[in-house]
Amino acid sequence: EDKVVQSPLSLVVHEGDTVTLNCSYEVTNFRSLLWYKQEKKAPTFLFMLTSSGIEKKSGRLSSILDKKELFSILNITATQTGDSAVYLCAVVNNDMRFGAGTRLTVKP
Amino acid sequence: EAQVTQNPRYLITVTGKKLTVTCSQNMNHEYMSWYRQDPGLGLRQIYYSMNVEVTDKGDVPEGYKVSRKEKRNFPLILESPSPNQTSLYFCASGQGRNRELFFGEGSRLTVL
Repeated sequence: EDKVVQSPLSLVVHEGDTVTLNCSYEVTNFRSLLWYKQEKKAPTFLFMLTSSGIEKKSGRLSSILDKKELFSILNITATQTGDSAVYLCAVVNNDMRFGAGTRLTVKP
Repeated sequence: EAQVTQNPRYLITVTGKKLTVTCSQNMNHEYMSWYRQDPGLGLRQIYYSMNVEVTDKGDVPEGYKVSRKEKRNFPLILESPSPNQTSLYFCASGQGRNRELFFGEGSRLTVL
């Protein structure tokens, strides 16, 4: 059975800290892995990863995929209170399967 | 503006009273999908559609129906809602194999 597992489930840090969120997966016919950020409403797209070892970067956020070990990480450096959200990982094969998410809380 | 629109955004209903949650996208996407989100369980797929007149079950299809008569619309139908269908529902659409999804704002449904 296909599965996507995110860890940790929740995380509390202080502003300025660096965090690493994990997403591991077991799926057949892997095509891509996507990261989303969900604040109070709908998830918004962050990154799409299809190839191993190529880092995607956007400001203080970066992500990388390891297709051999079947995981991805999302890094956030110099965290801010506005980074507080649920971060969702999704894997696309014949369809799309989401992990349960990591709830990040950044305290001032 | 490119968007996915869901209605209603909030609804309280009673067990057994049929309801429909509409979803419409203006991006000409072929792929559309419905998810429910419950605490600790993340987003679970209910149904999806790869194109007009093509729909498939996701992980939790029981108690739901969908239709895809036109490319832009993908309504979610609860023929006889039950309290365990109380949840936050998201519609999403996307294009291409790797499918970056665009989500609607969500519909919070409470079944009493």
